[in-house]
Amino acid sequence: AQSVAQPEDQVNVAEGNPLTVKCTYSVSGNPYLFWYVQYPNRGLQFLLKYITGDNLVKGSYGFEAEFNKSQTSFHLKKPSALVSDSALYFCAVRDMDTGRRALTFGSGTRLQVQP
Amino acid sequence: EAGVAQSPRYKIIEKRQSVAFWCNPISGHATLYWYQQILGQGPKLLIQFQNNGVVDDSQLPKDRFSAERLKGVDSTLKIQPAKLEDSAVYLCASSPGTSGNPSYNEQFFGPGTRLTVL
Repeated sequence: AQSVAQPEDQVNVAEGNPLTVKCTYSVSGNPYLFWYVQYPNRGLQFLLKYITGDNLVKGSYGFEAEFNKSQTSFHLKKPSALVSDSALYFCAVRDMDTGRRALTFGSGTRLQVQP
Repeated sequence: EAGVAQSPRYKIIEKRQSVAFWCNPISGHATLYWYQQILGQGPKLLIQFQNNGVVDDSQLPKDRFSAERLKGVDSTLKIQPAKLEDSAVYLCASSPGTSGNPSYNEQFFGPGTRLTVL
């Protein structure tokens, strides 16, 4: 079975400071990893994905994530946070070695960026 | 391109009543998913369709939930009868069906239907 852990319910950061939202995963095979963002009353919006290749993945709105196979982590990062980044962030995984394409999501981390 | 459409956006019903949700995926997307997102949790897959066939419904409570995608395009999710614990946001997502499409591994989500069961 596959699973995702987001250990922080909420992350608070001041505008202009770097931010990190943590994610660890568990799959039996090789992972496909994703980050989505959810604004109030909106659906999930895709930020970035890791399929294969470089461990540092760049995505939308200046976000990036680093795949670390030995630590089974895929932390989301941004060098300089904006107030408009305040939202709910979800990490998700699927096992690329199975035919199951549905995603398993973490419980989400609320990012609060203070002006 | 138009995104995933869902209706209604909000629904309030009493327990034991029935409710149906509708989803129209992105044009040409062969794969359609229904997820349930309970407040404070991440989305959980209910059912996955490939065209008009069910690929995965292992987490669908089949005694009360049903879903169909008869023509391989839009889909309906039904709950009959509803329970209090069904209060959640129901998200529909779609993705291209062919691995040659660069977006094959991405899922595109609709705005969701927020269900409140009283």
